[in-house]
Parts: sequence; structure tokens; C-alpha cells
Amino acid sequence: GAVVSQHPSRVICKSGTSVKIECRSLDFQATTMFWYRQFPKQSLMLMATSNEGSKATYEQGVEKDKFLINHASLTLSTLTVTSAHPEDSSFYICSARDLAGDNYEQYFGPGTRLTVT
Amino acid sequence: GIQVEQSPPDLILQEGANSTLRCNFSDSVNNLQWFHQNPWGQLINLFYIPSGTKQNGRLSATTVATERYSLLYISSSQTTDSGVYFCAVVRGNTPLVFGKGTRLSVIA
Repeated sequence: GAVVSQHPSRVICKSGTSVKIECRSLDFQATTMFWYRQFPKQSLMLMATSNEGSKATYEQGVEKDKFLINHASLTLSTLTVTSAHPEDSSFYICSARDLAGDNYEQYFGPGTRLTVT
Repeated sequence: GIQVEQSPPDLILQEGANSTLRCNFSDSVNNLQWFHQNPWGQLINLFYIPSGTKQNGRLSATTVATERYSLLYISSSQTTDSGVYFCAVVRGNTPLVFGKGTRLSVIA
């Protein structure tokens, strides 16, 4: 099956610093990638959708200047949390879709646990 | 937007028991997926099932698209089945929308 990798799996940073999370589709071309965040004991909430080569579309309430998304190629998307604060601590999960053959299945990375101290 | 409701929210089972988890959705969908989130947070893709019935070992799923619901069956549950089960749906080329999940605990 399709594989999505995410790096790093866990990161601890100090308040005010920036953190970059990478998401790669390993064996397919991801025409669309998605970023979700999940707080403890809650469901996944969509943050943004990105298509290769174009600007990301952010969900209401998500600060685009704080969560920078770059989908530079069909296999790589990055999420940069800028000037991180403790309230940004969360579990971030990327997801990818390849619409070849009208396949709407989404594949998920293993997630990145961010702790801001 | 489309709404997804899962029931029950919590479930405790004795090892070996069977269970049925339900997912209702508010509109027609192109895709429905069931996931198991393990204790480390990894989402395990169980089924891609916009309609019909599929089986994989002790797990099976049925989606009745015309009635807007899906069921996930777990038979002969094991402690390793514990975790959160999510149903997620999509309409058109939009992102998956997740339900709130069913938290399953299987006790020995």
C-alpha cells in the first residue's frame, strides 16, 4: 500500500523558536496533501490543504503566518511552526492523496509530537 | 459541511467478545475510511469502503451509502485491539472529515 513518512517523529523546542516538519509520499505522487492536528483525547482537526506548486488553503481559525506550508514537489510537503508557543504543543499528522483513477483514499503519516517548553 | 457521528463513544469489552461500531454521516460521500489509532498515535488504515462490505481477518466493515451509515465489526476481540477507532468521510475532492471516534478498551 501507499506509504507516507513524516519527520521528525518527536520534537521538543523552546518557546519562540521555529520547527519544521517534513511529510513525504514514498511510493506515489501526492497531488494533494493535508495537515491535521490532534489534541489529547480529541479527534483530528484539519489545518490546511495544499496542492503541489500552489498556496495552501487554511481552515478557519488557523493562522497562515504561524503555520507555513510548502508543497514544493509531488512527494514532499513541509509544515513550519513559527515562533512556537506552549499552546502549539500538539500531535501533527500529515496525509496525502493521489487522485489517479479517481481514488479518494487518503494515506497518513505516523505523526509528529511537538512539545514547546 | 458534512457531519460524522460515531457511536458508542466508549466501549469496554472482555477479551473474546464481539462488537459493532457505527458511523453515521449527513450527506452522500465519495469515500469512507475506518482507522485504528494505536497508543503511539499512528493511524492504521483499516478499510477504504465507500460502499459494500469488506473483510480483513477478524475485522469487517459494511457501508450502506444510500442510508448514510457504516458499521465496523470486530470479532473475538484481543487486547491489542484497544485504542481509538475513527470513521472519516469525504465528499468530492475535499479532505477527510473525521468523527470523534470510539475509544475501545479490551480487557483480559
